[in-house]
Amino acid sequence: GENVEQHPSTLSVQEGDSAVIKCTYSDSASNYFPWYKQELGKRPQLIIDIRSNVGEKKDQRIAVTLNKTAKHFSLHITETQPEDSAVYFCAAFSPFSGGGADGLTFGKGTHLIIQP
Amino acid sequence: KAGVTQTPRYLIKTRGQQVTLSCSPISGHRSVSWYQQTPGQGLQFLFEYFSETQRNKGNFPGRFSGRQFSNSRSEMNVSTLELGDSALYLCASRILAGSYNEQFFGPGTRLTVL
Repeated sequence: GENVEQHPSTLSVQEGDSAVIKCTYSDSASNYFPWYKQELGKRPQLIIDIRSNVGEKKDQRIAVTLNKTAKHFSLHITETQPEDSAVYFCAAFSPFSGGGADGLTFGKGTHLIIQP
Repeated sequence: KAGVTQTPRYLIKTRGQQVTLSCSPISGHRSVSWYQQTPGQGLQFLFEYFSETQRNKGNFPGRFSGRQFSNSRSEMNVSTLELGDSALYLCASRILAGSYNEQFFGPGTRLTVL
């Protein structure tokens, strides 16, 4: 099955600086990569996603890059603000492959701390 | 459109008891997945139900079971509770299974086992 590794587990940056979170996946058939943000005491919410036919996607201060050859994808947050403090999860979607059902596999999460 | 709802939000049980958690998906969503979230372990997949059938299962013992009703609502049951079962249990719904579409999470049920 799919395995997703996420690094770092904790990331502390100064307000205004950039933050980068990296994930690797094992299943070359995975074709969709969402990122979720979970604020303290709240549910995870989708913030950006990328499909395997695209190398980069941007939405205001956040961007995601995908390298299919190396099987890794990254989340980039620029001009960080206090409200960016949260736990971020990457995930990889493996399509139905005959032997098993499809599904999302999540990384273990990155606790992003924005220092004022 | 109402979001995914879960009941109860908080639960305290003792070892050996059993518990049932409920999840109501977004209207029109037919797939419901369950996850266990613990510090340091992230989101661990329990199982997914679609059209009242379990279509995918994670690596959890048989004490963890679930079901889905014809209105797509789902329940998760944990029998013979252990201290290590203390966690936030999240359910998530999506429109279909078999092709990717956005998964929406509920607020979770915080289970504490004493």
